[in-house]
Amino acid sequence: KAGVTQTPRYLIKTRGQQVTLSCSPISGHRSVSWYQQTPGQGLQFLFEYFSETQRNKGNFPGRFSGRQFSNSRSEMNVSTLELGDSALYLCASSLEGRTGVDTEAFFGQGTRLTVV
Amino acid sequence: AQSVTQLGSHVSVSEGALVLLRCNYSSSVPPYLFWYVQYPNQGLQLLLKYTTGATLVKGINGFEAEFKKSETSFHLTKPSAHMSDAAEYFCAVSGYSSASKIIFGSGTRLSIRP
Repeated sequence: KAGVTQTPRYLIKTRGQQVTLSCSPISGHRSVSWYQQTPGQGLQFLFEYFSETQRNKGNFPGRFSGRQFSNSRSEMNVSTLELGDSALYLCASSLEGRTGVDTEAFFGQGTRLTVV
Repeated sequence: AQSVTQLGSHVSVSEGALVLLRCNYSSSVPPYLFWYVQYPNQGLQLLLKYTTGATLVKGINGFEAEFKKSETSFHLTKPSAHMSDAAEYFCAVSGYSSASKIIFGSGTRLSIRP
C-alpha cells in the first residue's frame, strides 16, 4: 500500500511569488491535513480537508489556502511569499479524521520550501 | 484547549542505556496521545498511540509509553538505546473535536553516544 506522497520534495521561491504544493493521500483515506514545521514555531496545524471541504483551520493568514479534489488529493497554496514562510510543509492523511473512526494520521515526507 | 509540553529539547544517552523522554499534556477531555519520530529530512512516523484501555502502550522499535492520568504524563521509554534511535521525537495530542488536528510538542532531539 503506497504511503502519503508529497511533491515536490524541495522548492526555492522568491519573495512575493506564490507556490502550490501537492499531497496524494493513502488510497481510501478521505481526510488530508497540512502542517508547517519551522525551527522557531515547531509543528503547526494549517488546515484539514475532508470530502473537498475545509473542515478545520489553524491560525494562519489568508495567504495560506488549500483545496481537495474528488480523488482526495489535496493542494496547498501560499501567495505573496515571505521569508518567514520558509519551512517544511507536511501533509497527513487519515481515514476520516474523526475520533472513534480512526485515530492515526500518516505523514508524507514533506516539501521543503525555501523563500529567498 | 489541548497542549503538550516536552521537557528537555535535547537528551543524550549512551548506547545501551535507558531512554526516557518526558511529555506532559493538558486536555479538558480524555485525550488521544501519540509519540512520533522524525529522522533528518523525513516526515513523521508514528511510534505508538494511546486511545483508551491499557495505559501501558507498546510501540515499534522497542519503545513504550505509559499514560498516567493522575500525573497528566505520557513519557516515552526504551530499555536499551541503539545508535539508530538518534532522531527528533514529538509528543502529540488530539481529542474528540477532530482526530485530524494534532497538537504537537516542541520536540526532543535524542542523541546516542557510542
